[in-house]
Amino acid sequence: DTEVTQTPKHLVMGMTNKKSLKCEQHMGHRAMYWYKQKAKKPPELMFVYSYEKLSINESVPSRFSPECPNSSLLNLHLHALQPEDSALYLCASSQVPTPQETQYFGPGTRLLVL
Amino acid sequence: DQQVKQNSPSLSVQEGRISILNCDYTNSMFDYFLWYKKYPAEGPTFLISISSIKDKNEDGRFTVFLNKSAKHLSLHIVPSQPGDSAVYFCAASARKSSGDKLTFGTGTRLAVRP
Repeated sequence: DTEVTQTPKHLVMGMTNKKSLKCEQHMGHRAMYWYKQKAKKPPELMFVYSYEKLSINESVPSRFSPECPNSSLLNLHLHALQPEDSALYLCASSQVPTPQETQYFGPGTRLLVL
Repeated sequence: DQQVKQNSPSLSVQEGRISILNCDYTNSMFDYFLWYKKYPAEGPTFLISISSIKDKNEDGRFTVFLNKSAKHLSLHIVPSQPGDSAVYFCAASARKSSGDKLTFGTGTRLAVRP
């Protein structure tokens, strides 16, 4: 099983809403990632969790708050987002947090902020 | 500053012929390179990788070539099949300085004509 699941698939939210994106993997991977992808742009790394601890934060605004409740789950809490935050949010995981390890991506959550 | 560039946004190839996708990078610290394939409404899927100590890596119909002096890599698909039609992303990492961070190129959309 090499599946990373993400919910919801689509999300529309207002700028005052609070919502959460969820990601789950059952491959025993100890590294999990959040990426943001705008249209016709490459995925951009937002956060890396290594052994359930935040190891990389790519200067992401605080309106994005990641959480790793356990080794299988990764959440991204959203609050007071801006329309320019509309994008595809991808979750990925790898066996261990090194680039030689293949990152397995979920299908993404397409977010629209109105 | 786009450190990984895929200058061809699209490529069209006849079924059975060779597809060549190119990628250039500017950061001389990059030492590990990957290709991902992405179908619509799915997350990127790992295809093949190459370490900077090699200049070629082959896996079935897919071969990646690395020219370190030119800071250039290419993905060859032979023979091309209609199911190969997707967006292909080149990605790179610099293990010593960026740990587990991947930097993606902008992608090339491959269309294989039956």
